[in-house]
Amino acid sequence: AQKITQTQPGMFVQEKEAVTLDCTYDTSDPSYGLFWYKQPSSGEMIFLIYQGSYDQQNATEGRYSLNFQKARKSANLVISASQLGDSAMYFCAMREAPTNNAGNMLTFGGGTRLMVKP
Amino acid sequence: DTGVSQNPRHKITKRGQNVTFRCDPISEHNRLYWYRQTLGQGPEFLTYFQNEAQLEKSRLLSDRFSAERPKGSFSTLEIQRTEQGDSAMYLCASSHMNQPQHFGDGTRLSIL
Repeated sequence: AQKITQTQPGMFVQEKEAVTLDCTYDTSDPSYGLFWYKQPSSGEMIFLIYQGSYDQQNATEGRYSLNFQKARKSANLVISASQLGDSAMYFCAMREAPTNNAGNMLTFGGGTRLMVKP
Repeated sequence: DTGVSQNPRHKITKRGQNVTFRCDPISEHNRLYWYRQTLGQGPEFLTYFQNEAQLEKSRLLSDRFSAERPKGSFSTLEIQRTEQGDSAMYLCASSHMNQPQHFGDGTRLSIL
């Protein structure tokens, strides 16, 4: 089974509008972390936002917020006031609880390509 | 903070040749990771170092792949006897303990 599922291969959004990128995850660990990264066409992976499984509040970083619904195992990224520079691939990733120095790696979803229309 | 640096940015080589990539992590980051990303996919974990110790290796890392981090600073990833299927973007990331991983720009490998 996929550990991270991003069901939207591509999305369009009008400039200045908000957009939600979906991410669902699968884990039996009670302790885990969820991450969102942006990958522009130039290739670098840019860290956007982090949510810990025990965090009581949804994470926010500027125009980015994470809609964390633990019971549904979803961690959707919300981008407010979209800008042309937001056009990129967006990846959701999970880190499960490390044990014996293992498990520190990130497991990524397949990504969503966001295109912002002027 | 100069970010994670990877060299070269692009590598084109013939099938069967050996290639080596280098990653310089953010200074004072004790953890270093290698990932591979093929076109249209998310990155896949290859291996992870804490300081100079290689603590985890993915099953994706065949015997033709070897990674080192000799002094706990920069790391190298070598692929021996390259195959067509090795064509991918190789990404390096670093972190301080369990803080978020920061990625380099990657090395794009093309096998002719």
